[in-house]
Amino acid sequence: GAGVSQSPSNKVTEKGKDVELRCDPISGHTALYWYRQRLGQGLEFLIYFQGNSAPDKSGLPSDRFSAERTGESVSTLTIQRTQQEDSAVYLCASSRDPAETQYFGPGTRLLVL
Amino acid sequence: KNEVEQSPQNLTAQEGEFITINCSYSVGISALHWLQQHPGGGIVSLFMLSSGKKKHGRLIATINIQEKHSSLHITASHPRDSAVYICAVKNSGGSNYKLTFGKGTLLTVNP
Repeated sequence: GAGVSQSPSNKVTEKGKDVELRCDPISGHTALYWYRQRLGQGLEFLIYFQGNSAPDKSGLPSDRFSAERTGESVSTLTIQRTQQEDSAVYLCASSRDPAETQYFGPGTRLLVL
Repeated sequence: KNEVEQSPQNLTAQEGEFITINCSYSVGISALHWLQQHPGGGIVSLFMLSSGKKKHGRLIATINIQEKHSSLHITASHPRDSAVYICAVKNSGGSNYKLTFGKGTLLTVNP
């Protein structure tokens, strides 16, 4: 079956603009995760969705970052008023439940000029 | 907060060599993942383990819970094994979905 997909694959934007990143998880996966990978750094947890429970937003770096997920479907990560330090690869992953293996999408490379 | 350390940071090997990558962490966990990231960014989960040893093809992962240490071994390495290998630990307790990642080990296998 299809894996996790993300769009766009690349995004170049100007400082101050808003961007929206999309993640389509594997069908039937109740858990969805967003991560950020800055150049030369390890992956950082951003946010976690599990079914219809309240998300764990503890990893979001500032209030310019927000994410939504409706039920067990698509998720969008929005970054408002982008800054150069937001440049990174944003990775989405999903799993059947939190205890199981996470499957990663290909990521969105964001460059803020 | 769990501190995850990987060693070495960079590793260059000749085709056919036996490879070992190490991971240590500071706080008890529920599981440990080994991930592979190829150039271009795609991440594949290789193993998830909470005790003992797992083997898949030429890859072997071991974990010692008491010593808070895991190793990833690659036997008969091949240039296609060239990638970044990332260790990630899953917290125990309430936030057991959250992964904390090491910075990765860049492996280059030369023909």
